[in-house]
Amino acid sequence: DAKTTQPTSMDCAEGRAANLPCNHSTISGNEYVYWYRQIHSQGPQYIIHGLKNNETNEMASLIITEDRKSSTLILPHATLRDTAVYYCIVRTLYNQGGKLIFGQGTELSVKP
Amino acid sequence: GAGVSQSPSNKVTEKGKDVELRCDPISGHTALYWYRQSLGQGLEFLIYFQGNSAPDKSGLPSDRFSAERTGGSVSTLTIQRTQQEDSAVYLCASSIRQVINEQFFGPGTRLTVL
Repeated sequence: DAKTTQPTSMDCAEGRAANLPCNHSTISGNEYVYWYRQIHSQGPQYIIHGLKNNETNEMASLIITEDRKSSTLILPHATLRDTAVYYCIVRTLYNQGGKLIFGQGTELSVKP
Repeated sequence: GAGVSQSPSNKVTEKGKDVELRCDPISGHTALYWYRQSLGQGLEFLIYFQGNSAPDKSGLPSDRFSAERTGGSVSTLTIQRTQQEDSAVYLCASSIRQVINEQFFGPGTRLTVL
């Protein structure tokens, strides 16, 4: 699976949009971009995934560049409860039985 | 509905003892995964079960680690002759099937080996 690169940490003001970048320059054509987050002392939580089109759900939006070498997770109105480590994961749907390979992620701190 | 549950939530043991960690996946989920998260480390995959297929054990760090899944539901992760480096949070996740998008994680078991 393709390797991802994320900033170690980011800050965001409460109520503002949080934009979390992820670089995946070696992504291949059949690999999807997934985002999970882990709030302190909890298990990871699925947020969103996409292949090449932008995606939106009730939690977030995922913007994937046209060349698919990078993506951005957008939390449109961050709250204090969005403080967590955010993981960008690139993998195929069928490869390796679906197991997730986590990197170090981005620690997002939402401040009042 | 109930999510993934794990027990115990905390386990303290002495070096050299065996421990068993339990995972109850969401009903109807055929895929079950074990991960662990050590202090200062990321989440690492341990083992994966899918239906009646042979499990993917490629992430188990040593032969002291084993897991089974009975009746396609409950899973037990066993660590024999525990070492201090086994101290970590052990997380279980399940999904409807292996290729489904979302894995649902349990709250984890925090294992401390003294």
